[in-house]
Amino acid sequence: KQEVTQIPAALSVPEGENLVLNCSFTDSAIYNLQWFRQDPGKGLTSLLLIQSSQREQTSGRLNASLDKSSGRSTLYIAASQPGDSATYLCAVEGNTPLVFGKGTRLSVIA
Amino acid sequence: ETGVTQTPRHLVMGMTNKKSLKCEQHLGHNAMYWYKQSAKKPLELMFVYNFKEQTENNSVPSRFSPECPNSSHLFLHLHTLQPEDSALYLCASSQEPGTSYGYEQYFGPGTRLTVT
Repeated sequence: KQEVTQIPAALSVPEGENLVLNCSFTDSAIYNLQWFRQDPGKGLTSLLLIQSSQREQTSGRLNASLDKSSGRSTLYIAASQPGDSATYLCAVEGNTPLVFGKGTRLSVIA
Repeated sequence: ETGVTQTPRHLVMGMTNKKSLKCEQHLGHNAMYWYKQSAKKPLELMFVYNFKEQTENNSVPSRFSPECPNSSHLFLHLHTLQPEDSALYLCASSQEPGTSYGYEQYFGPGTRLTVT
């Protein structure tokens, strides 16, 4: 059974810092990995999707990497801003639909 | 706006009530999903529909009854719920479900359900 773990559970950084969020998964037989953002009490917004054949994807200040063989992904956020404060969720899709981690709650302090 | 809408946004119901949650997607997608998000637990998949047919039921209790009349609409009918069913219920859609290509899922804002 696929399990997804995200570390750390919570993170607080000053504005302007670069930061890395980690995601690991137990079954490397995945089709893709997706990073989402969730604001309090709201739905999820898709940030990046990495196909199993890809190593990384970039969107603006966000860069996500995937090492399928080791079961790991990282989300790199450059020059963090207070508006980046949210919970970031990692999810993998394989033979079953998306399996989510518990998320990392990020606070960027002005 | 993601193109997926959910109503109501908030719902309080007693354990003997019957209510329904509604989801509508305006993206032309073929697959729709119901998820449950409880405090301090990962998002849990409940049901998957592909072209109006249910393809996944993730061991969900029968007090939750989904309905998909067409590929744009998805309902979750609720009856005799328990307080532990209080959660945020999220609807999502994607072009196709779970293919090796990996289509992105688009989520609605959710319905915050409280069972008293």
